[in-house]
Amino acid sequence: LAKTTQPPSMEAYEGQEVNVSCSHTNIATSEYIYWYRQVPHQGPQFIIQGYKDYVVNEVASLFISADRKLSTLSLPWVSLRDAAVYYCIVTPQAQGLTFGLGTRVSVFP
Amino acid sequence: SVLLYQKPNRDICQSGTSLKIQCVADSQVVSMFWYQQFQEQSLMLMATANEGSEATYESGFTKDKFPISRPNLTFSTLTVNNARPGDSSIYFCSSRTGGYEQYFGPGTRLTVL
Repeated sequence: LAKTTQPPSMEAYEGQEVNVSCSHTNIATSEYIYWYRQVPHQGPQFIIQGYKDYVVNEVASLFISADRKLSTLSLPWVSLRDAAVYYCIVTPQAQGLTFGLGTRVSVFP
Repeated sequence: SVLLYQKPNRDICQSGTSLKIQCVADSQVVSMFWYQQFQEQSLMLMATANEGSEATYESGFTKDKFPISRPNLTFSTLTVNNARPGDSSIYFCSSRTGGYEQYFGPGTRLTVL
């Protein structure tokens, strides 16, 4: 399974856009890129997934580089509720998830 | 999406005892997974449970210590045998339907004295 590297922490003010990068230099052709987040005292929550190019949903957008070795999760207009640990996970579909250290995003009013 | 319920939401037990954690889905799901999370650490996949078959365990987790049952498509139980203080953590179940995303339960916080 591909290993991922994320910044350990990021800070933002409410209303700003937050971009969380994830490096997965050994990603296999069978693997997809998933993003989850976890707020304290809750289970992780699925945000978005992609294989290549650009994916967008009502919560976030995901840009994947052409060689698929780098992805960036973009959170527009963050609020205090977006403060969480964000996990980038690379794995084939249908398998259990291997969580890395994640990126702790802090949001200030 | 799938809603998962876990019972109990927290438990305190003595060393050497066993306890069961139940996970119930509000609809039928293909796979159920169990994760362990120590305080301030990431989740660690323990095992995968598919209906009607033996659970598949990840390295470091064994059937003897953490037996898992999956009797039907909406239910799974995780048992912690011979609990030790080092087993104190939060246990999450998750499920996958036919899609790619996983949904997680609220977790069961276990404290072993």
